Amino acid sequence: NAGVTQTPKFQVLKTGQSMTLQCAQDMNHNSMYWYRQDPGMGLRLIYYSASEGTTDKGEVPNGYNVSRLNKREFSLRLESAAPSQTSVYFCASIETVNTEAFFGQGTRLTVV
Amino acid sequence: AQRVTQPEKLLSVFKGAPVELKCNYSYSGSPELFWYVQYSRQRLQLLLRHISRESIKGFTADLNKGETSFHLKKPFAQEEDSAMYYCALTPYRHMLTFGGGTRLMVKP
Repeated sequence: NAGVTQTPKFQVLKTGQSMTLQCAQDMNHNSMYWYRQDPGMGLRLIYYSASEGTTDKGEVPNGYNVSRLNKREFSLRLESAAPSQTSVYFCASIETVNTEAFFGQGTRLTVV
Repeated sequence: AQRVTQPEKLLSVFKGAPVELKCNYSYSGSPELFWYVQYSRQRLQLLLRHISRESIKGFTADLNKGETSFHLKKPFAQEEDSAMYYCALTPYRHMLTFGGGTRLMVKP
């Protein structure tokens, strides 16, 4: 059972380049989330999707866009990467509100 | 808006000592609170949630609505407890909000 799968695991970008982080879950969960993890800042919510067809901004959405492609997949796009977006990105999914969140293994992104 | 605060970034204790990781929250409704843990080179995973009132790996947490706190406690720390611990709060329009995290180091 794969759970939540993120690709890629590592990525180095030059300032101004674009890229899409992919996330897929095989647990038939309704809600999916994108977080960034920075030292001393904890996990900050970028965007989330409460259900297929809906997306909402989280705490730090600037510079990012998302797509809930279907119930399984939730992608995060950086249109023009900046050094401030250097971080570890985590995708998570939840079956319903108040239940356990399952996380991907993370994507370590460096923008130079 | 909801907010979760973990005042300690690092907590260092000796093996066998009691541990308390602090978590305070702000939320106007009835909160659901969780503790998640991230061991070295592992995925973030659920440790416990207040609604279950359970003890996992010797850890317990009590929701104190008067003090808006959900502190994580363990009477005797073990070296394998060394990890990053996050307190989390839901729901607010399905948002799952995490605190800044506390790194627990248990020294031999």
